[in-house]
Amino acid sequence: DAGVTQSPTHLIKTRGQHVTLRCSPISGHKSVSWYQQVLGQGPQFIFQYYEKEERGRGNFPDRFSARQFPNYSSELNVNALLLGDSALYLCASRDRRETQYFGPGTRLLVL
Amino acid sequence: AQSVTQPDIHITVSEGASLELRCNYSYGATPYLFWYVQSPGQGLQLLLKYFSGDTLVQGIKGFEAEFKRSQSSFNLRKPSVHWSDAAEYFCAVGGGSQGNLIFGKGTKLSVKP
Repeated sequence: DAGVTQSPTHLIKTRGQHVTLRCSPISGHKSVSWYQQVLGQGPQFIFQYYEKEERGRGNFPDRFSARQFPNYSSELNVNALLLGDSALYLCASRDRRETQYFGPGTRLLVL
Repeated sequence: AQSVTQPDIHITVSEGASLELRCNYSYGATPYLFWYVQSPGQGLQLLLKYFSGDTLVQGIKGFEAEFKRSQSSFNLRKPSVHWSDAAEYFCAVGGGSQGNLIFGKGTKLSVKP
């Protein structure tokens, strides 16, 4: 079975631009979470979506937004990019037993 | 406040030696506990998890972890380390209403030949 997939794998943007990251969960999983991992740190929770509704939000500014589609895939959008947004963005697919399975991530570099 | 502490930033062990990575947590409710491993530039792979029951849990790649409620710890162990185990290891706690995981800062494991 396919695991969690994310696209693109790498992305370079400049300050002030907007970015959209995409994630497809494991088949049968209805919940998707997004995390930001900056170099040398553990992942930080951004959003959780379940059945297309936001169920949780971490301590991130309103420049960060997300949505989940009827097929349970998800997009993370970041507006007005800052240098500090450079990070690995991880998507996780959650099963009914609260276990989260992570995708390979999208590495974003903001110049 | 909910938090996870991994006291060791970097550990070096010889191949074939035993390994223990420490994890302490602070969590208001009964925690769900996880260990993940991350190779450079990669995503996180689940090693093992604890929800309830037997406090010694077995995972993939020969890893095990023991939940000790009295010490708020969930240490990861392996009896004999292989060179391929070199990676970064993250302990995480979850189970809250938002469904999010709280991660420690990670422990980088290096393996000497």
